[in-house]
Amino acid sequence: DGGITQSPKYLFRKEGQNVTLSCEQNLNHDAMYWYRQDPGQGLRLIYYSQIVNDFQKGDIAEGYSVSREKKESFPLTVTSAQKNPTAFYLCASSITGTSGYEQYFGPGTRLTVT
Amino acid sequence: SQQGEEDPQALSIQEGENATMNCSYKTSINNLQWYRQNSGRGLVHLILIRSNEREKHSGRLRVTLDTSKKSSSLLITASRAADTASYFCATDREGAQKLVFGQGTRLTINP
Repeated sequence: DGGITQSPKYLFRKEGQNVTLSCEQNLNHDAMYWYRQDPGQGLRLIYYSQIVNDFQKGDIAEGYSVSREKKESFPLTVTSAQKNPTAFYLCASSITGTSGYEQYFGPGTRLTVT
Repeated sequence: SQQGEEDPQALSIQEGENATMNCSYKTSINNLQWYRQNSGRGLVHLILIRSNEREKHSGRLRVTLDTSKKSSSLLITASRAADTASYFCATDREGAQKLVFGQGTRLTINP
């Protein structure tokens, strides 16, 4: 089964702790993306990677970090510097980072920080 | 920054009726895409329309694009309860390789 997986589905952390969200794809896609979604809102781009060992900041990168050491993996770390980390996080991938290709989304991770 | 804006924010119709959602955007685009999101789930791609296309169909879906008005519409015909979801438009700005999503239309189909 080809697809994109995120784990865990729900994650709870105490304020001040870093937390890493997992995203794995077996679609052989070059490009991967991380989005944040707040209740009743659209998606906002955190980071994206068009190729292994390369990534760029999106619109709301502050307080987040990523790595892209393998083609199939793009983990997101939510650091303690992120002021309001409680949100729904979505990972996506596409064949390339070139315009004109659809993105495939994972099921999401709901992060709650108290 | 938000590129696309959907209208209406929420829409409730009876099963069997048609549903129309609109999307407006601000800058020139290469493509516009529509996605569906069931509550608490990831997004699913529905259709992509290129800037040189005016209309596209996929099953019960019909998408139009008017680049002069910087707007697009998604029509779902003969709606079903399973169409209940949020629908998002996403645009890629010319020269950019990332999508910008609108805030979505929340569609409810009443049986």
